[in-house]
Amino acid sequence: GAGVSQSPSNKVTEKGKDVELRCDPISGHTALYWYRQSLGQGLEFLIYFQGNSAPDKSGLPSDRFSAERTGGSVSTLTIQRTQQEDSAVYLCASSPLSGGPPRETQYFGPGTRLLVL
Amino acid sequence: EDQVTQSPEALRLQEGESSSLNCSYTVSGLRGLFWYRQDPGKGPEFLFTLYSAGEEKEKERLKATLTKKESFLHITAPKPEDSATYLCAVRTGGGNKLTFGTGTQLKVEL
Repeated sequence: GAGVSQSPSNKVTEKGKDVELRCDPISGHTALYWYRQSLGQGLEFLIYFQGNSAPDKSGLPSDRFSAERTGGSVSTLTIQRTQQEDSAVYLCASSPLSGGPPRETQYFGPGTRLLVL
Repeated sequence: EDQVTQSPEALRLQEGESSSLNCSYTVSGLRGLFWYRQDPGKGPEFLFTLYSAGEEKEKERLKATLTKKESFLHITAPKPEDSATYLCAVRTGGGNKLTFGTGTQLKVEL
């Protein structure tokens, strides 16, 4: 079946502009995650959505970062007033979190490569 | 704070030369250790989940093992198509986020 999709695949923006990154999770998956992968660093957790529960925002690096998930499916990560240090690959993942194991396994999309000039 | 350390950072093997990648962790309450493979320009691809010490999982030329302090990814008779970055991650506590290591970049040459 279809995997996690993300758009755009690449984004170049100027410092100070706002950007929106989109994630379409695997159909039927109730959990959705955003991570950031900077050059030479491991994946860094940003935010987690699970059903109708309040999202876990503990990984968001600043108040310039926000995310929403509409209708329990598509999610948008917004970065306001972008800075050069925001340049990274932004990865989205989803999990079924129901049914038999490995229900908590996270399946990743291809990522959005963001470059802030 | 949960910590995951992978070694070596990079590994170059000849085709058929078996080896192991290491993932050591310091966590409170391990609820799963995950191995992923990541090809350049792509997202991580799930390989294995291990839950308890002594557990082993295999897939083709790969075998993952787990102890109370570390996990190994053994690669038997690797082929050039096994070249990729291998990532280790842990799930701990009551949440669902993963804490990742920085990966081992593997290159298998003919």
